[in-house]
Amino acid sequence: QQQVKQSPQSLIVQKGGISIINCAYENTAFDYFPWYQQFPGKGPALLIAIRPDVSEKKEGRFTISFNKSAKQFSLHIMDSQPGDSATYFCAARGITGGGNKLTFGTGTQLKVEL
Amino acid sequence: DTAVSQTPKYLVTQMGNDKSIKCEQNLGHDTMYWYKQDSKKFLKIMFSYNNKELIINETVPNRFSPKSPDKAHLNLHINSLELGDSAVYFCASSQWGGGNTEAFFGQGTRLTVV
Repeated sequence: QQQVKQSPQSLIVQKGGISIINCAYENTAFDYFPWYQQFPGKGPALLIAIRPDVSEKKEGRFTISFNKSAKQFSLHIMDSQPGDSATYFCAARGITGGGNKLTFGTGTQLKVEL
Repeated sequence: DTAVSQTPKYLVTQMGNDKSIKCEQNLGHDTMYWYKQDSKKFLKIMFSYNNKELIINETVPNRFSPKSPDKAHLNLHINSLELGDSAVYFCASSQWGGGNTEAFFGQGTRLTVV
């Protein structure tokens, strides 16, 4: 059972455009929602994260919008650049016995074209 | 200075062999993880250790055995390798507990079983 659903699977955006990736979760016990960026041949790296008591968080060109009642959150990349081309994963954290367990979405492959 | 380092980066081996992947982190974290990324890039947690104690053990075949000699190291040993074990394995680390505790990932080990 996929607890975090992510869409779209792939996305092509023109340089300067807005990239939007959506995620939905089922488990209301999740308490932290990070987004990870992964380049080919590299490990995922934290991009931006939000807690469920906040509706929006912005860091530079990256914004997370969070809708707790709908159990949905999204990543917006403003002024998308070719260097943003990567795979993006949303995730949700559940605390298991005090440890962090990240449940990942299925990933979105973003390509930003010139 | 690499924060989470894994060796080897690539591993090609025959079915039935036993192999190990090593992981070390120099971030002072007390919790370490193994994640598996399949051919569709789906990331799933396998194990989590806190201060050398197994905390999370997902439904992973018992051919996979993690070992944590100290809190800075978490190795993964795989017995009787199967074709389906081919994947990229990521080690990660974080601090224990809640809060905005970022998980840092290694560069991954691409395991190919032939």
